[in-house]
Amino acid sequence: AQSVSQHNHHVILSEAASLELGCNYSYGGTVNLFWYVQYPGQHLQLLLKYFSGDPLVKGIKGFEAEFIKSKFSFNLRKPSVQWSDTAEYFCAVNARNNNDMRFGAGTRLTVKP
Amino acid sequence: DADVTQTPRNRITKTGKRIMLECSQTKGHDRMYWYRQDPGLGLQLIYYSFDVKDINKGEISDGYSVSRQAQAKFSLSLESAIPNQTALYFCATSDPGSTNEQFFGPGTRLTVL
Repeated sequence: AQSVSQHNHHVILSEAASLELGCNYSYGGTVNLFWYVQYPGQHLQLLLKYFSGDPLVKGIKGFEAEFIKSKFSFNLRKPSVQWSDTAEYFCAVNARNNNDMRFGAGTRLTVKP
Repeated sequence: DADVTQTPRNRITKTGKRIMLECSQTKGHDRMYWYRQDPGLGLQLIYYSFDVKDINKGEISDGYSVSRQAQAKFSLSLESAIPNQTALYFCATSDPGSTNEQFFGPGTRLTVL
C-alpha cells in the first residue's frame, strides 16, 4: 500500500508570508492526489485535487499545488497567507488500482496576525 | 442540510462498554468509510464499504466492527471500548468515479475513561 509523508508537523508564519507545505508519497502506480484542510473544530474539506492534466493545480482560497511525478511530490503553496488560514492541512493519495486512500500525518499551520 | 451527518457528536464512556457511532449521507454515494484521527498520526482507515453487501477492513480494524444497513447508513461499533480508542472519528463518502474524492462528516469525539 502507498504511504504519505508530510515533512512539517507545525509551521508558524506571519500574515503575508509565503507558504509551502511538503508532501511526498511512495507508490509506483497511477495516483490521485488531494490536499484537505481542517479548520479548528471542523471537519476536513477539500482544498484541491489532481488526477490528470496540468500538474499545477489551483484550489480554493488562493492555494495551489504542483505534482512532480519524478519526485513523488505534491507540495501545497500559497503566495500570501492570512490569519484565517490557520488550520491543519492533510495530503492524501489514492492509488487508482485499489481505491485505497492514505492520509499524511498532517501539518498544523499557525498564522500570526 | 449537511450531506454527511454523524451521531453522536461527542460521547464519553467507560472501559468495557459497547458503543455505536452512526453515519448517514444524502449524497447518494455508494462508498462509505470510517476513519479515526489522532494527534500527529493523521487519519487512519478503520473500515470501508463500497456498497451495501461489501465490507472491508482498513489499516486499524482490530477492536471495531461495522454495519452497512443501507446505502445511506454506515455504523461503527466498539464492542468493548478501551482508553486507547479515545479519538476523533470521521465518516466519509465517495463516488466511485476516477478521482475518489471523499466528503467528510463533522466527526464524533469519543472519550473512553
